[in-house]
This record gives sequence, C-alpha cells and structure tokens, in this order.
Amino acid sequence: GAGVSQSPRYKVAKRGQDVALRCDPISGHVSLFWYQQALGQGPEFLTYFQNEAQLDKSGLPSDRFFAERPEGSVSTLKIQRTQQEDSAVYLCASSLDPGSGNQPQHFGDGTRLSIL
Amino acid sequence: QQPVQSPQAVILREGEDAVINCSSSKALYSVHWYRQKHGEAPVFLMILLKGGEQKGHEKISASFNEKKQQSSLYLTASQLSYSGTYFCGTFFGDMRFGAGTRLTVKP
Repeated sequence: GAGVSQSPRYKVAKRGQDVALRCDPISGHVSLFWYQQALGQGPEFLTYFQNEAQLDKSGLPSDRFFAERPEGSVSTLKIQRTQQEDSAVYLCASSLDPGSGNQPQHFGDGTRLSIL
Repeated sequence: QQPVQSPQAVILREGEDAVINCSSSKALYSVHWYRQKHGEAPVFLMILLKGGEQKGHEKISASFNEKKQQSSLYLTASQLSYSGTYFCGTFFGDMRFGAGTRLTVKP
C-alpha cells in the first residue's frame, strides 16, 4: 500500500492480557516512530527506530512496553499485563528522515486499544 | 520537553485568519506542523528548518524564530476544511508534540 498501515484498527483486551500492535511503514522509510495518544491530547512519543536499531525508547511508560523492528521494516509494539491506563490510540509514523528532522512523518490511522 | 501551544482553541468564521503559536524550552533542529481531524491520522502540513527553509502546504505559512525557539502557523482566509486540531512537533533527536490547538471554522 501507499501509506502506513496499522493493525488491528481496534483492540479490546481484559486487564492483565498481553497485546501486540503491528505497524507496516511506507516502503523504504528509514525511521519509524510509535506514539500514544490519549483523548484530547497530542501524540506522546514512545520510541524511535532507525532501520532495525531502536535509538530511543525513553518514552516507553514502563517495562511492560516493548517494541521491535527486527528487519528494519514492520514493527510491533507489545504491551504485557495490560492495565486500564494503557487505553489509548497508538499511532505509528514513518519517515525518510535518517535522523535530521527535516522530513515529514507519515502517520497510520492508529490502533484504538481499550482495556476492560 | 513538550512544546507549548497557544491558544488551546479557536473559533473562526469562514474567511477569517488565525495564528497558532508554538514555543519550546530547548534549542530546535526543526519544527513540524500537523493537522488531525477527529478519528483520523495526523496529516503533515509544514516543516520549518534552521536557516529559514520551509517545506509544506501552499496555502499555509509559518515562521520559525530560532533565537526565541518559537514557531507560528498562519492560516489565512480560512475554509471549513481547515477545522481540526493542529499540533506542532519539535525535533531534537526525537519528536515531541504539543497538546494541540482545536480550530473550528463555521460558515
């Protein structure tokens, strides 16, 4: 596809379950970002990859959150032992930018995660 | 580390102008502007780089004051389609977004 693809679009899980969210970036995009967006707020940075290397994971809220991009393309954000405060929209963005900040980010439609 | 945006919300009539401001406490490599409509992904509008280069939308202009670490987005002759939430993002090795400015354009 031409854009960033995220799946699933919606995810409902019970508290304590593990979830995995997938991001398929635009082909050839070097950088990949994950964000968490609460209702009425701006996207909050979680983590950043350049190819397969995770260069910054300072935004991950706890050690229950884990992200990977093993082949420098598709990325997965995993949340273990989910809690109600994890409910949010998780956005993925990709960019041609090798780390200079001079290229736009292209966002997927997000995964809306609801923890019951 | 997050940039601060102002105002939080703006209501306009079609054809009116608006300015949205973004300020940062850190020196910036670049400032990005995005618009998000309800339930949709943020869409790129503009990038402002150190040195004055701009990349982006034809009908939207912006400024970037490197010394003051501030940027402003100028929306002129607003259209109904301009409604949405505008976010500035500041890049300093990673991207941090402001809380957003909700713009409503009424007929």
